[in-house]
Amino acid sequence: QQPVQSPQAVILREGEDAVINCSSSKALYSVHWYRQKHGEAPVFLMILLKGGEQKGHEKISASFNEKKQQSSLYLTASQLSYSGTYFCGTPFSFSGGYNKLIFGAGTRLAVHP
Amino acid sequence: EAGVAQSPRYKIIEKRQSVAFWCNPISGHATLYWYQQILGQGPKLLIQFQNNGVVDDSQLPKDRFSAERLKGVDSTLKIQPAKLEDSAVYLCASSLDPARHEQFFGPGTRLTVL
Repeated sequence: QQPVQSPQAVILREGEDAVINCSSSKALYSVHWYRQKHGEAPVFLMILLKGGEQKGHEKISASFNEKKQQSSLYLTASQLSYSGTYFCGTPFSFSGGYNKLIFGAGTRLAVHP
Repeated sequence: EAGVAQSPRYKIIEKRQSVAFWCNPISGHATLYWYQQILGQGPKLLIQFQNNGVVDDSQLPKDRFSAERLKGVDSTLKIQPAKLEDSAVYLCASSLDPARHEQFFGPGTRLTVL
């Protein structure tokens, strides 16, 4: 059930780009992305609600490939403030028509000057 | 708009003691979640409320953990008795709808069990 994120960790210099992937063994109809800075709570970045959708948040964008059951987060021209752990979350439907979010293990991103 | 409030922020107890955490979600959010986050891992859902009813508690160790959400607003999570492996950050979050809307997280309670 848990989505798989890759890579586990990334180290960047300021200004470099990175891609974080999230894949699921089950069909996806939405993907959530969150960022958690050290010692803080996760903060919402974006939700992709349908296949092929792409969204952006500052210089962070994401794509969602429904057929491949995966989403990718693109960090362009990284800034020091991008450092943190990035989690993807995928909804899991259960009885009663309810949904819950299952988070991946996270990708640690460190941006250095 | 006020965010999700949690207390206490830190708690240190000895094993076999009991502890309780409190959460006040964002006004109007029907869905409330309690997550356990162990260092280096993603948040793990313990229990999910829809208003004051439990819709999922499949990952809650019910022999020691309990939670309630009276009147569909505030919630408390209790551990009794605590074990060493319960050391983690306990996050409360709320949202309008789990699948289509973002979750707002509180600052968390860092629990250390000695």
